[in-house]
Amino acid sequence: SSELTQDPAVSVALGQTVRITCQGDSLRSYYVSWYQQKPGQAPILVFFGENTRPSGIPDRFSGSSSGNTASLTISGAQAEDEADYYCNSRVRSVKHLWVFGGGTKLTVL
Amino acid sequence: QVQVVQSGAEVKKPGASVKVSCKVSGNRLTDLYMHWVRQAPGKGLEWMGGFDPEDGETIYAQKFQGRVTMTEDTSTDTAYMEVNNLRSEDTAVYYCATPLKGISGAILSYWGQGTLVTVSS
Repeated sequence: SSELTQDPAVSVALGQTVRITCQGDSLRSYYVSWYQQKPGQAPILVFFGENTRPSGIPDRFSGSSSGNTASLTISGAQAEDEADYYCNSRVRSVKHLWVFGGGTKLTVL
Repeated sequence: QVQVVQSGAEVKKPGASVKVSCKVSGNRLTDLYMHWVRQAPGKGLEWMGGFDPEDGETIYAQKFQGRVTMTEDTSTDTAYMEVNNLRSEDTAVYYCATPLKGISGAILSYWGQGTLVTVSS
């Protein structure tokens, strides 16, 4: 079982805002990173750390964290945002180890 | 800009070994910290291990310790990941990935295209 828990599926209407969450005890101590993965493609890093969006990632992607829950917010979801989203972070008890959440499939309606 | 190119698909029998390569360009491998992630068909991402600069060694996820070995050939800027004693459940796409230069940990900015390893008798 993953130390990071994500909802398996989330849907959002085109142009609306959606929040994808990631829960885990390690998130009280460590930042989370977020990845987008489309079918047949390698993942893409879309947000990490306290407030860092990699170059080329649209500013509609943002991240936040509170307690043991981190969130990736997509403000004004676009059709091309439909994908699987994964969080990852360090393992709570052994900081040199990393783990991914189980992933959330985002559907844009 | 770092580019990462992996070796091609492999088909192996149970009990065999496989070695996947990952060639880096645009930066020297010595400046990067390579990690390996796998994804079984229809499943999520699974971190296998990676180089930790704080410890100066490669760290493996517990389930892969003793069966997986990650190495580097800095003369060719190529990283390798070998899995021994393959089982059917090792069938997956294997990715190598690395953070931005100077960032430690599995915050993975640059990914290879993935290598499908199929284990079947």
